[in-house]
Formats: sequence, structure tokens, C-alpha cells
Amino acid sequence: AQSVTQLDSQVPVFEEAPVELRCNYSSSVSVYLFWYVQYPNQGLQLLLKYLSGSTLVKGINGFEAEFNKSQTSFHLRKPSVHISDTAEYFCAVSRINNNDMRFGAGTRLTVKP
Amino acid sequence: GAVVSQHPSWVICKSGTSVKIECRSLDFQATTMFWYRQFPKQSLMLMATSNEGSKATYEQGVEKDKFLINHASLTLSTLTVTSAHPEDSSFYICSARGSGGRQETQYFGPGTRLLVL
Repeated sequence: AQSVTQLDSQVPVFEEAPVELRCNYSSSVSVYLFWYVQYPNQGLQLLLKYLSGSTLVKGINGFEAEFNKSQTSFHLRKPSVHISDTAEYFCAVSRINNNDMRFGAGTRLTVKP
Repeated sequence: GAVVSQHPSWVICKSGTSVKIECRSLDFQATTMFWYRQFPKQSLMLMATSNEGSKATYEQGVEKDKFLINHASLTLSTLTVTSAHPEDSSFYICSARGSGGRQETQYFGPGTRLLVL
């Protein structure tokens, strides 16, 4: 089965600084990759997804991620963060044509003024 | 598009009672719905997968007689926590996956916080 590792449980950063949230996955077959954001006491909102094609994926709120097959990574980046980006971020992977989505443990992004 | 709602958003109940949580896909037909449980400061744990008109598939360790799932239509799935106990207190989140262009992505509801006293 596929699995996801989010390397940082917490990432503190100052407002307007760049940020990278790291995600590595493991799978013996081709996968789809996702980043979701969760604000306090809310469900998950899709930020972006990689299904096929260009390895650089742009999402909402100025986020982007790059799929690197050789390094089995899908790191999330934003060039300049805002206070409102403070949230929990989850990386997820699912096998193509399969229901089974697996989530990472989450990374808590805290943006300080 | 791809909006999923949950009702109620939070519920407090007494130990021993049953609680029903609804999950609806508002603007698309959900061929598959998923139920997750999330403990504080932890990731999502998949509880079960349900396909419209068929029995749900439960993950290992999830009691199917305790967490009853019904996916009666392409827009509605319900999770009933039967004879709830304090250890069932948690944040329950559903997601829905459609067909065609929405087949690859799960769209999540806002979650239901359950507190069992």
C-alpha cells in the first residue's frame, strides 16, 4: 500500500517569508498526489493536486507544488505567506483508479507577524 | 462546484444514545463516499468506504455494528454511531468522490464534532 511522510510536524515562519512544506510518498504503482488545508474546527479544503502532465502544479491561495518522481516527493511552496495561511496542511496520496487515499500526519504552519 | 455538507456540525449526547450524521454532496453525484475520524492534533483515519446502493467496506479495527453507514442515494450518506460512549468523542469528517472529471479527487465536508458525556 502507499504511504505518506510529512517530514515536519510544525513550521513557524514570519509573515511575507517563503515557506516549503515537505512531503514524501512511497508506492509501488503510479499515484495521484494532493495537498489539503484544514483550518481550526473545519473540514479539509483542496489546495492542489497532481494527476498527470506538468510536474509543477499551481493551486489556490498562491500555493504550488512540484512532483518529483525520482525523489518521490511532492513539496508544497509559497513565496510569501500571510497570517491567514496559519493552518494544518495534509499531504495525501492515492493509487490511480483506487479509492484508497492515505494522509500524512500533517504539518502545522504558523505564520507570525 | 464540488460542495459537500455535513449535518449536524456538532452534537453533544449522553452515553448509550445513538447519533446520526449526514453527509451530502450538493452539486454533484457522489458514487463513493468516505468516512474519517480525526483525533485532536492528528491526521485523518479512514473508517469506511461506501458506494451508493451497496454495503460499506470498513477498515480493519472499525466495528461495523457500532458505526452504521448507509449510502442510500448518490447525494447522501449517513453515519450512525450506535450506543455512543465517551471514547467515541471525536471529529468525524466525510468526503465524496464523483464520476468523470471528479473521479480522482475527494471533496471533504466541514466535519461533525461529537461529544459523548
